[in-house]
Amino acid sequence: DAGITQSPRHKVTETGTPVTLRCHQTENHRYMYWYRQDPGHGLRLIHYSYGVKDTDKGEVSDGYSVSRSKTEDFLLTLESATSSQTSVYFCAISDLDLRTEAFFGQGTRLTVV
Amino acid sequence: GDSVTQMEGPVTLSEEAFLTINCTYTATGYPSLFWYVQYPGEGLQLLLKATKADDKGSNKGFEATYRKETTSFHLEKGSVQVSDSAVYFCALHSSNTGKLIFGQGTTLQVKP
Repeated sequence: DAGITQSPRHKVTETGTPVTLRCHQTENHRYMYWYRQDPGHGLRLIHYSYGVKDTDKGEVSDGYSVSRSKTEDFLLTLESATSSQTSVYFCAISDLDLRTEAFFGQGTRLTVV
Repeated sequence: GDSVTQMEGPVTLSEEAFLTINCTYTATGYPSLFWYVQYPGEGLQLLLKATKADDKGSNKGFEATYRKETTSFHLEKGSVQVSDSAVYFCALHSSNTGKLIFGQGTTLQVKP
């Protein structure tokens, strides 16, 4: 199995509080992604990174920020959590060669109350 | 921008039936195409892939052919099993931006 871990796996937080989710890889892959999964919407890309300190927005980036200060870690921050951000969040990694598959973490279930 | 559209589900079939899940895409450049599967309570895992036009990906009896002329990558299986019940995602990896974009997913339920 590819070395990718997400933390925490579950979190309940209150509206208006900041939340940071962590994705850690041991594969030295260049690309890292954050998605949210909601019923009826599939996986929607929030932000992605193509290298250290190189990030770009996905289709649902509002309310989220990311940072990648080293190859192995990609952090997703909700500056002020809202109930609409209750979701399951998945991190994925991919090799520099775009022809290879992506590997996914086990997901983080976030509930904003 | 790049996008992926899948047929909506859920799809309910009897065991040994033929399966088709349609997938079409919009992309600039030459994307790679993938099918991922998600079993209940788990993350996504690769089912098959195709990296250039006319390539056929196959795995576990599933097949899909990269059709550039129709911008499609339909998933097929000749005889489904109960154990194939899962959510199936079509995806493209953009050669221009590096984005990995998914369709909305199709839930398959196979009944004995």
